[in-house]
Formats: sequence, C-alpha cells, structure tokens
Amino acid sequence: KQEVTQIPAALSVPEGENLVLNCSFTDSAIYNLQWFRQDPGKGLTSLLLIQSSQREQTSGRLNASLDKSSGRSTLYIAASQPGDSATYLCAVSRTDSWGKLQFGAGTQVVVTP
Amino acid sequence: EADIYQTPRYLVIGTGKKITLECSQTMGHDKMYWYQQDPGMELHLIHYSYGVNSTEKGDLSSESTVSRIRTEHFPLTLESARPSHTSQYLCASRTENYGYTFGSGTRLTVV
Repeated sequence: KQEVTQIPAALSVPEGENLVLNCSFTDSAIYNLQWFRQDPGKGLTSLLLIQSSQREQTSGRLNASLDKSSGRSTLYIAASQPGDSATYLCAVSRTDSWGKLQFGAGTQVVVTP
Repeated sequence: EADIYQTPRYLVIGTGKKITLECSQTMGHDKMYWYQQDPGMELHLIHYSYGVNSTEKGDLSSESTVSRIRTEHFPLTLESARPSHTSQYLCASRTENYGYTFGSGTRLTVV
C-alpha cells in the first residue's frame, strides 16, 4: 500500500527566505506526482504536476523535483511572501488506469512579514 | 477562474435528512472523483467515475452514493445524514497531461 509522508508537518519562516518542503513515498511505481496548495477551509489549488518520466517542473518562484528511485519529491519556493502561507499537499497518482491519488498529510507553512 | 464548481459551499442540516452535493465541470473531463477531508486530516477517496454511467467506490468506505448521467455532472447523495458525515467534501476532475483540478469544496455539518 502506498504511503506518502510530508516533512516537516509545520514550518514558519520570515518573509524572503526560501522554503523547502519534502515529500516521500514508499512505492516508486507512480504515474505522476502533484503538489497542491490549500488555504484554510478551502479547496485545493494545483501548483505543479511532475510526470513519472520527468525530474523537475518549474513555475515562477516554484520548483519541484522528483526522484522516483528514492521515492522523494521536494518543493522549493523562492523568496517567500506572506501570501505563501497555506498548507502544501503532495499527492502521488498510481500507475493503474484509475489514477487515484494518495495524499500526504501536508506541511503547514507560515511566512511572517 | 474555477472550471469545476461545487454547491453549496456550506451546509448545516439535521440528522436524517437527505442531501445532494453538486459538482459540475466545464472542461469535458471523463475522469471525476470525490474526496473526503476531516479538519486537519488527510484527503481520502470515496468515489470515482471514468465516464458516463461509470461509478466506483473509493478506498474509504462511505455511506454516500454518486451518479454520472452526464459528463459534466457528478453529484454525491447522502440518503440519511448523520453527525458522523460532518466533513469537507471535495470534487475533482483529471486529465493525463494536467493532473487534477479540484473544486472549492462543500463543508457539511450534520447536527
């Protein structure tokens, strides 16, 4: 059974610092990995999607890497801003055709002004 | 602008009532999903569909049911709501190239 772990569970940084969020998964046979952002009481906003054949994806200040062999992904957020405060979720999609997601518990990020 | 819409956004309802949570998407995606999330907890898959007239139960056992009569519409129904159904319900659709798109969720409270 696939297990997804996110470390740390919570993170507080001053504005301007770079954020490093870690995600690990136990079964390397994944279809893809997706990072999401969730604001309190809201739905999920997709940040980056990395296909299993890719090593990284970038969008603006965000960069996500994927190492399937070691079962790890890292989300980097450069020059953090207070608006980056949210919970960040990592989810892996299984290789079966249904594409069901297995979520981690998330990392709660607070960026202080 | 959201391409997947959930209504209502919030719902408080009494025990024993029948409720339907609506989910619609304008992207023409075949694959749609319902996830349940308790406060501060992980998301768990409760239902999914691969197209019209296709529905399957997810990993987390749920007393809810779903239907998929039209591609764009994937409603979730609870025949008799109970306090244990209090949770946030998130609907999503998916493509191979762009992954998942989630709606804003319905926060359900059963009193």
